[in-house]
Amino acid sequence: AQSVTQLGSHVSVSEGALVLLRCNYSSSVPPYLFWYVQYPNQGLQLLLKYTSAATLVKGINGFEAEFKKSETSFHLTKPSAHMSDAAEYFCAVSENNDMRFGAGTRLTVKP
Amino acid sequence: KAGVTQTPRYLIKTRGQQVTLSCSPISGHRSVSWYQQTPGQGLQFLFEYFSETQRNKGNFPGRFSGRQFSNSRSEMNVSTLELGDSALYLCASSFVSGLNTGELFFGEGSRLTVL
Repeated sequence: AQSVTQLGSHVSVSEGALVLLRCNYSSSVPPYLFWYVQYPNQGLQLLLKYTSAATLVKGINGFEAEFKKSETSFHLTKPSAHMSDAAEYFCAVSENNDMRFGAGTRLTVKP
Repeated sequence: KAGVTQTPRYLIKTRGQQVTLSCSPISGHRSVSWYQQTPGQGLQFLFEYFSETQRNKGNFPGRFSGRQFSNSRSEMNVSTLELGDSALYLCASSFVSGLNTGELFFGEGSRLTVL
């Protein structure tokens, strides 16, 4: 069965710095990969998704992720962090209509 | 367009009781899926319903059940509550069935505390 590993349960960056949230997956077939964001006391919101088209996927709020098959990775990046980016981020993989989420990475943005 | 609505938002129950949670999807969405979110286990898939039929089911005991009505609203029920059932229960709706699309729209969740 597919699985997702998010490296780092907490990531702290300064405002304006690069954001890099790591995600590695395992899947027996070409996967569907997603990043979701969860703000406090809210549900999850889809940031972006990879569905075997372009390997570099652009999402909302300036985030993007690159699918690297050789590394089985789908890391999320944003060139310049904003205070409003503070939230929990979840990587997810879907295979045969079974979606699995990573444990999540809490992003803190320092002024 | 109204988002996914979950009720109640917060509830407290005692062990052995049962609970019913409700989810109203976005208008026009026919798929509803449920997830349990806990600090220890993260987000775990419970089940998905599409057009009143259960399409997928996660690895949860039979105490967890659900259903979907003709208007696409869904309910999930947990019987014989255990302390470990304390969690945030999230509902997500999508236009089509199948989680591969990833186009899930989540509600704010129902936070259940079992004492």
